[in-house]
Amino acid sequence: EDKVVQSPLSLVVHEGDTVTLNCSYEVTNFRSLLWYKQEKKAPTFLFMLTSSGIEKKSGRLSSILDKKELFSILNITATQTGDSAVYLCAGTLLNAGNNRKLIWGLGTSLAVNP
Amino acid sequence: SQTIHQWPATLVQPVGSPLSLECTVEGTSNPNLYWYRQAAGRGLQLLFYSVGIGQISSEVPQNLSASRPQDRQFILSSKKLLLSDSGFYLCAWSSGGNIQYFGAGTRLSVL
Repeated sequence: EDKVVQSPLSLVVHEGDTVTLNCSYEVTNFRSLLWYKQEKKAPTFLFMLTSSGIEKKSGRLSSILDKKELFSILNITATQTGDSAVYLCAGTLLNAGNNRKLIWGLGTSLAVNP
Repeated sequence: SQTIHQWPATLVQPVGSPLSLECTVEGTSNPNLYWYRQAAGRGLQLLFYSVGIGQISSEVPQNLSASRPQDRQFILSSKKLLLSDSGFYLCAWSSGGNIQYFGAGTRLSVL
């Protein structure tokens, strides 16, 4: 069965801390690993990872994929209160109909305290 | 640029009443469209997806149905809502690639 597992489920840190969020996956016909940030409403896209060992970076956020060990991490440095959100990880598979389907983790709820 | 509209933002409905949620996409043609439900535990459950007009794939047997009457319009419906239909409903689109882009969501409470 395809699955994506995120850890920790929740995390509380102080502003300025660095956090690492984990995502492990077992996805058949794997195509990519996606990270999203969800505040009160819609998930917003952060990163797509398709190749092992190549870091994707956007400001204080970065992410990397290990296709051998089947996991990804999302790092946030110098956290700010605006980083408080649920971070979702999803693995993309190609199904029998040649369509892409996302397998979602439950998310990590991050709270950054001032 | 592409935008996705979803409405209403919140909805309170009595048990047994019908439901119709609408989603439209602008700025692209022939998108793949998706309906998800997100329960309180945060997990995103894929309900339906569509790769073209009139083409609907159902992922989970349930009390809901979906239709795609036009290329960029996706509708989620129910004839009679159940308490268990409460949740946060999200519409998403993709160009057929890996990334899906989400609408603002509808928070449905069935009482």
